[in-house]
Amino acid sequence: ETGVTQTPRHLVMGMTNKKSLKCEQHLGHNAMYWYKQSAKKPLELMFVYNFKEQTENNSVPSRFSPECPNSSHLFLHLHTLQPEDSALYLCASSQELALNEQYFGPGTRLTVT
Amino acid sequence: RKEVEQDPGPFNVPEGATVAFNCTYSNSASQSFFWYRQDCRKEPKLLMSVYSSGNEDGRFTAQLNRASQYISLLIRDSKLSDSATYLCAAPSGAGSYQLTFGKGTKLSVIP
Repeated sequence: ETGVTQTPRHLVMGMTNKKSLKCEQHLGHNAMYWYKQSAKKPLELMFVYNFKEQTENNSVPSRFSPECPNSSHLFLHLHTLQPEDSALYLCASSQELALNEQYFGPGTRLTVT
Repeated sequence: RKEVEQDPGPFNVPEGATVAFNCTYSNSASQSFFWYRQDCRKEPKLLMSVYSSGNEDGRFTAQLNRASQYISLLIRDSKLSDSATYLCAAPSGAGSYQLTFGKGTKLSVIP
Protein backbone atom coordinates (compact mmCIF):
# COMPACT_ATOMS: atom_id res chain seq x y z
CA GLU A 1 0.00 0.00 0.00
CA THR A 2 1.28 3.49 -0.79
CA GLY A 3 -1.43 5.67 0.79
CA VAL A 4 0.91 7.12 3.41
CA THR A 5 4.65 6.81 2.96
CA GLN A 6 7.44 7.59 5.38
CA THR A 7 11.18 7.92 4.99
CA PRO A 8 13.55 6.80 6.21
CA ARG A 9 12.21 3.52 7.53
CA HIS A 10 15.09 3.14 9.95
CA LEU A 11 17.33 5.79 11.47
CA VAL A 12 20.20 5.62 13.92
CA MET A 13 21.45 8.95 15.17
CA GLY A 14 23.71 10.30 17.86
CA MET A 15 22.48 12.73 20.46
CA THR A 16 24.19 15.65 18.76
CA ASN A 17 22.89 14.92 15.26
CA LYS A 18 20.15 16.69 13.36
CA LYS A 19 17.89 14.64 11.16
CA SER A 20 14.45 14.88 9.61
CA LEU A 21 11.65 12.39 9.13
CA LYS A 22 9.42 12.76 6.10
CA CYS A 23 5.82 11.74 5.57
CA GLU A 24 3.76 11.99 2.41
CA GLN A 25 0.12 11.06 1.96
CA HIS A 26 -1.43 10.29 -1.41
CA LEU A 27 -5.02 10.08 -0.16
CA GLY A 28 -6.10 13.68 -0.66
CA HIS A 29 -6.56 14.08 3.09
CA ASN A 30 -6.51 17.41 4.87
CA ALA A 31 -5.30 16.42 8.34
CA MET A 32 -1.97 14.85 9.27
CA TYR A 33 -0.59 13.58 12.55
CA TRP A 34 2.67 12.54 14.17
CA TYR A 35 2.58 9.76 16.76
CA LYS A 36 5.25 8.15 18.89
CA GLN A 37 5.03 4.45 19.75
CA SER A 38 7.34 3.11 22.45
CA ALA A 39 7.51 -0.45 23.69
CA LYS A 40 4.70 -1.37 26.09
CA LYS A 41 3.09 2.07 25.83
CA PRO A 42 0.07 3.19 23.86
CA LEU A 43 0.41 5.39 20.82
CA GLU A 44 1.14 8.96 21.89
CA LEU A 45 -0.13 11.81 19.75
CA MET A 46 2.57 14.44 19.23
CA PHE A 47 1.35 16.94 16.64
CA VAL A 48 -1.74 17.58 14.53
CA TYR A 49 -1.97 19.62 11.34
CA ASN A 50 -5.14 20.62 9.53
CA PHE A 51 -4.81 22.21 6.09
CA LYS A 52 -1.12 22.62 6.93
CA GLU A 53 -1.85 24.63 10.08
CA GLN A 54 -0.75 23.18 13.40
CA THR A 55 -3.73 22.65 15.66
CA GLU A 56 -2.17 20.61 18.44
CA ASN A 57 1.13 20.19 20.19
CA ASN A 58 0.78 17.68 22.97
CA SER A 59 3.51 19.03 25.24
CA VAL A 60 6.21 17.70 22.99
CA PRO A 61 9.78 18.78 23.83
CA SER A 62 11.24 21.42 21.56
CA ARG A 63 13.90 19.00 20.30
CA PHE A 64 11.06 17.75 18.05
CA SER A 65 10.05 20.35 15.48
CA PRO A 66 7.27 19.64 12.97
CA GLU A 67 6.83 21.25 9.58
CA CYS A 68 3.90 20.98 7.21
CA PRO A 69 4.54 22.80 3.91
CA ASN A 70 1.29 21.56 2.36
CA SER A 71 -1.54 19.15 3.06
CA SER A 72 0.33 16.22 1.55
CA HIS A 73 3.70 16.52 3.29
CA LEU A 74 4.71 16.46 6.91
CA PHE A 75 8.19 16.58 8.40
CA LEU A 76 9.54 16.00 11.87
CA HIS A 77 12.88 17.67 12.46
CA LEU A 78 14.99 16.12 15.20
CA HIS A 79 17.90 17.64 17.09
CA THR A 80 19.78 16.85 20.29
CA LEU A 81 17.61 13.85 21.01
CA GLN A 82 17.91 11.63 24.07
CA PRO A 83 18.16 7.81 24.14
CA GLU A 84 14.62 7.66 25.56
CA ASP A 85 13.39 9.20 22.30
CA SER A 86 14.15 5.90 20.58
CA ALA A 87 10.80 4.64 19.31
CA LEU A 88 8.67 4.06 16.24
CA TYR A 89 7.47 7.38 14.82
CA LEU A 90 4.25 7.05 12.89
CA CYS A 91 2.61 9.52 10.57
CA ALA A 92 -1.13 9.34 9.94
CA SER A 93 -3.69 11.23 7.92
CA SER A 94 -7.45 11.60 7.87
CA GLN A 95 -9.90 13.11 5.41
CA GLU A 96 -10.92 15.87 7.77
CA LEU A 97 -9.97 16.80 11.28
CA ALA A 98 -13.43 15.92 12.56
CA LEU A 99 -13.43 12.43 11.04
CA ASN A 100 -11.32 10.20 13.14
CA GLU A 101 -10.58 7.39 10.69
CA GLN A 102 -6.85 7.76 10.55
CA TYR A 103 -4.56 5.91 8.19
CA PHE A 104 -0.99 5.27 9.20
CA GLY A 105 2.27 5.18 7.33
CA PRO A 106 4.80 2.37 7.91
CA GLY A 107 6.73 4.41 10.46
CA THR A 108 10.35 5.32 11.05
CA ARG A 109 12.12 3.21 13.64
CA LEU A 110 14.46 5.62 15.39
CA THR A 111 17.38 4.65 17.58
CA VAL A 112 19.23 7.37 19.45
CA THR A 113 22.69 6.36 20.60
CA ARG B 1 -7.17 11.98 31.96
CA LYS B 2 -9.33 10.21 29.43
CA GLU B 3 -8.10 6.67 28.95
CA VAL B 4 -8.75 3.58 26.95
CA GLU B 5 -8.06 0.28 28.65
CA GLN B 6 -7.48 -3.10 27.05
CA ASP B 7 -6.55 -6.54 28.36
CA PRO B 8 -2.98 -6.95 27.06
CA GLY B 9 -3.33 -10.71 26.68
CA PRO B 10 -1.82 -12.65 25.11
CA PHE B 11 -4.85 -14.55 23.93
CA ASN B 12 -3.73 -17.92 22.58
CA VAL B 13 -6.55 -19.60 20.69
CA PRO B 14 -6.72 -22.57 18.30
CA GLU B 15 -7.63 -22.12 14.67
CA GLY B 16 -11.35 -21.97 14.16
CA ALA B 17 -12.08 -20.63 17.61
CA THR B 18 -14.13 -17.56 18.40
CA VAL B 19 -12.38 -14.92 20.45
CA ALA B 20 -13.57 -11.63 21.89
CA PHE B 21 -11.68 -8.63 23.22
CA ASN B 22 -13.09 -5.84 25.31
CA CYS B 23 -11.98 -2.24 25.46
CA THR B 24 -13.23 0.17 28.10
CA TYR B 25 -13.21 3.91 27.68
CA SER B 26 -13.60 6.62 30.26
CA ASN B 27 -14.99 9.49 28.19
CA SER B 28 -18.75 9.03 28.10
CA ALA B 29 -19.06 11.74 25.43
CA SER B 30 -17.18 9.66 22.81
CA GLN B 31 -19.30 9.01 19.74
CA SER B 32 -17.09 6.92 17.52
CA PHE B 33 -14.63 4.15 18.14
CA PHE B 34 -12.07 2.27 16.14
CA TRP B 35 -10.32 -1.06 16.08
CA TYR B 36 -6.90 -1.25 14.50
CA ARG B 37 -4.78 -4.28 13.79
CA GLN B 38 -1.02 -4.02 14.20
CA ASP B 39 1.36 -6.73 13.07
CA CYS B 40 4.78 -7.04 14.66
CA ARG B 41 7.01 -4.11 13.65
CA LYS B 42 4.36 -2.73 11.30
CA GLU B 43 1.98 0.18 11.41
CA PRO B 44 -1.58 0.01 12.75
CA LYS B 45 -4.14 -0.70 10.05
CA LEU B 46 -7.75 0.34 10.43
CA LEU B 47 -9.89 -2.75 10.91
CA MET B 48 -13.33 -1.41 11.85
CA SER B 49 -15.09 1.79 12.77
CA VAL B 50 -17.99 1.81 15.22
CA TYR B 51 -20.37 4.77 15.07
CA SER B 52 -23.55 3.36 16.54
CA SER B 53 -24.36 0.13 18.29
CA GLY B 54 -22.04 -2.00 16.25
CA ASN B 55 -20.54 -3.03 12.95
CA GLU B 56 -19.95 -6.33 11.19
CA ASP B 57 -17.50 -7.21 8.44
CA GLY B 58 -17.21 -10.86 7.57
CA ARG B 59 -15.78 -12.76 10.53
CA PHE B 60 -15.34 -9.58 12.54
CA THR B 61 -18.02 -7.94 14.68
CA ALA B 62 -17.60 -4.85 16.78
CA GLN B 63 -20.19 -3.92 19.38
CA LEU B 64 -20.63 -0.83 21.47
CA ASN B 65 -22.12 -0.77 24.96
CA ARG B 66 -22.56 2.86 25.92
CA ALA B 67 -24.11 2.13 29.30
CA SER B 68 -21.05 0.20 30.43
CA GLN B 69 -18.66 2.22 28.29
CA TYR B 70 -16.95 -0.56 26.44
CA ILE B 71 -16.57 -1.79 22.92
CA SER B 72 -15.85 -5.35 21.96
CA LEU B 73 -14.31 -7.05 18.97
CA LEU B 74 -15.44 -10.57 18.12
CA ILE B 75 -13.48 -12.70 15.70
CA ARG B 76 -15.17 -15.87 14.47
CA ASP B 77 -13.45 -18.85 12.85
CA SER B 78 -9.98 -17.57 13.75
CA LYS B 79 -7.26 -17.91 11.12
CA LEU B 80 -3.51 -18.11 11.67
CA SER B 81 -3.30 -14.81 9.80
CA ASP B 82 -5.42 -13.12 12.49
CA SER B 83 -2.42 -13.26 14.85
CA ALA B 84 -1.60 -9.65 15.64
CA THR B 85 -2.09 -6.97 18.25
CA TYR B 86 -5.50 -5.31 18.21
CA LEU B 87 -5.66 -1.67 19.24
CA CYS B 88 -8.77 0.10 20.41
CA ALA B 89 -9.12 3.87 19.92
CA ALA B 90 -11.64 6.45 21.04
CA PRO B 91 -11.82 10.23 20.69
CA SER B 92 -10.44 12.09 23.66
CA GLY B 93 -13.59 14.18 24.00
CA ALA B 94 -16.89 15.10 22.39
CA GLY B 95 -16.17 16.26 18.86
CA SER B 96 -12.46 15.78 19.51
CA TYR B 97 -10.21 14.86 16.63
CA GLN B 98 -7.65 13.43 19.02
CA LEU B 99 -7.71 9.68 19.35
CA THR B 100 -6.67 7.96 22.55
CA PHE B 101 -5.32 4.48 21.91
CA GLY B 102 -5.23 1.49 24.20
CA LYS B 103 -2.03 -0.48 24.66
CA GLY B 104 -3.43 -3.27 22.54
CA THR B 105 -4.43 -6.90 22.98
CA LYS B 106 -2.12 -9.52 21.54
CA LEU B 107 -3.75 -12.46 19.77
CA SER B 108 -1.95 -15.63 18.76
CA VAL B 109 -3.90 -18.15 16.73
CA ILE B 110 -2.22 -21.53 16.94
CA PRO B 111 -2.58 -24.51 14.60
